[in-house]
Amino acid sequence: RKEVEQDPGPFNVPEGATVAFNCTYSNSASQSFFWYRQDCRKEPKLLMSVYSSGNEDGRFTAQLNRASQYISLLIRDSKLSDSATYLCVVSSTSGTYKYIFGTGTRLKVLA
Amino acid sequence: DADVTQTPRNRITKTGKRIMLECSQTKGHDRMYWYRQDPGLGLRLIYYSFDVKDINKGEISDGYSVSRQAQAKFSLSLESAIPNQTALYFCATSGDRTYNEQFFGPGTRLTVL
Repeated sequence: RKEVEQDPGPFNVPEGATVAFNCTYSNSASQSFFWYRQDCRKEPKLLMSVYSSGNEDGRFTAQLNRASQYISLLIRDSKLSDSATYLCVVSSTSGTYKYIFGTGTRLKVLA
Repeated sequence: DADVTQTPRNRITKTGKRIMLECSQTKGHDRMYWYRQDPGLGLRLIYYSFDVKDINKGEISDGYSVSRQAQAKFSLSLESAIPNQTALYFCATSGDRTYNEQFFGPGTRLTVL
């Protein structure tokens, strides 16, 4: 089993739709969680960190469920410019340093 | 100017050749990383360095070596390139905390024939 798993998609949604992605992780000792965005052939860039209490940044909401070991990303009112691949990251420093990327979920927002 | 730069941006080489990818950063971070990205496999950590005197193997270090020449410079070498090392390579930097984000360079697209 992979340490971090994501549905690869693609998720094809119309503009204005709400879409949610989940990411599951296997290491219960994981400490920090992130969502990165990657445009085609470009470098990943941090979209948002994920806090235990959940957090929101404009149209984006991130949630953490430690009991079930998953994080989620909700995008409301999707824009064409949201089309990208969304990577979840799980990090820990118990024992060996780990900063594990999921394989990404591809989102296409359609006009 | 970009905070994290990588050279070259694209490289085609032949099996058996030695190749070096270079990374420089102006963010003043101590921590630097090398990843490779392959379709369907995501980003995988090759090597990381928490300061100039600290070098650590990542998930897939076989066939690679690194050099941390200065705080701002971290190079990745392929001693004898093979076709399955064809990939997109990213350098990244971060602050000293687990919860710090990583800042990525623009990537080097390497093709080994």
